[in-house]
Amino acid sequence: NAGVTQTPKFQVLKTGQSMTLQCAQDMNHNSMYWYRQDPGMGLRLIYYSASEGTTDKGEVPNGYNVSRLNKREFSLRLESAAPSQTSVYFCASSEARDRARGELFFGEGSRLTVL
Amino acid sequence: GQQLNQSPQSMFIQEGEDVSMNCTSSSIFNTWLWYKQEPGEGPVLLIALYKAGELTSNGRLTAQFGITRKDSFLNISASIPSDVGIYFCAGQSFGQGAQKLVFGQGTRLTINP
Repeated sequence: NAGVTQTPKFQVLKTGQSMTLQCAQDMNHNSMYWYRQDPGMGLRLIYYSASEGTTDKGEVPNGYNVSRLNKREFSLRLESAAPSQTSVYFCASSEARDRARGELFFGEGSRLTVL
Repeated sequence: GQQLNQSPQSMFIQEGEDVSMNCTSSSIFNTWLWYKQEPGEGPVLLIALYKAGELTSNGRLTAQFGITRKDSFLNISASIPSDVGIYFCAGQSFGQGAQKLVFGQGTRLTINP
């Protein structure tokens, strides 16, 4: 029972490099999210996809792009990485009913370091 | 935007002690949730509260939705080593989806055996 799977789990980039974080969920959820977690900051929403075919900006979208590839997969892309994007990134999903109730299922996280 | 103040930021306790943490907001929320994040893992939902004044338990965990709708409390009784982790509160306003969840900064719990 995988739930939400993120890859890679760890990545080191140089400033200016690009990369894509992959996320897949096997719970048939409609909604998917990307968060970043920084010390003392809690979780901040980068982008979300309420349903297949739609994406919207969250609180901190600058420097990121997303693609909802299909119902299962939601990727996050850094086109030109900056040191300020060093963080732990979490993908999450929720069913429509649960989305209204705030119940999210999170992946294990991807730790990104930008040098 | 909306902010949640979660306290304390960290706790160092002895195994067997009770734990209390809380979250306060300047805004009213209609849903309060408590998540736990263990080392190297993503957050997992512990308790969800949907009504002001509601008191809900999950094993040794008890959470309350403050009557003013601006705060919530989480208590852990008789702590054990597996309680170690970061506890996050999250608030959601009426009619807003989970994309509008506001998270607290987290309370890091460390337990000395």
